[in-house]
Amino acid sequence: GAVVSQHPSWVICKSGTSVKIECRSLDFQATTMFWYRQFPKQSLMLMATSNEGSKATYEQGVEKDKFLINHASLTLSTLTVTSAHPEDSSFYICSASFQPNEKLFFGSGTQLSVL
Amino acid sequence: GENVEQHPSTLSVQEGDSAVIKCTYSDSASNYFPWYKQELGKGPQLIIDIRSNVGEKKDQRIAVTLNKTAKHFSLHITETQPEDSAVYFCAASIGGFQKLVFGTGTRLLVSP
Repeated sequence: GAVVSQHPSWVICKSGTSVKIECRSLDFQATTMFWYRQFPKQSLMLMATSNEGSKATYEQGVEKDKFLINHASLTLSTLTVTSAHPEDSSFYICSASFQPNEKLFFGSGTQLSVL
Repeated sequence: GENVEQHPSTLSVQEGDSAVIKCTYSDSASNYFPWYKQELGKGPQLIIDIRSNVGEKKDQRIAVTLNKTAKHFSLHITETQPEDSAVYFCAASIGGFQKLVFGTGTRLLVSP
């Protein structure tokens, strides 16, 4: 299957700082990427849809000023958690697909812990 | 909006037995139904998927069935092995294939 790389795999930061997570499609170009959030022992919740060259589309209840998404190229999308707080601690996962209307592949996830 | 329910939440089987996980969805417009396997601390891995114009699909020990009329689909794993132990998520598409709503997950434990 397609390879989606996510970095870092885990990060610990102090409350009030910002953290950037990268998602790369290694062997294909992804015009659309998705960012999910997963709390322990819970399901994946879609946060936003990242479109190359345009603004991201956020799901209801997700603060766009807190979770900044940039999709500057066809192989890279970034999620920046700004002014992180302990309640932002979670597992963040990105996904991408080859082309519109095709199956999704997920990155390995980033465990964020905010102290 | 789309709502996906998944059962059971936990499933324990002996090695070699079969395992079945069931999901129901609410949006009749959904047309793509993937299944993902997630191991601890890792991202979900696509294991099989089915589209609405197909009733059943099989890949070695894994099969998925879809009943569009009843709006439910199931994952079948035969001859289970300890390495099948993981959390399995079903999902249904909204607005086309790419945007997915996930079920609540099933923790499968296969005992040797």
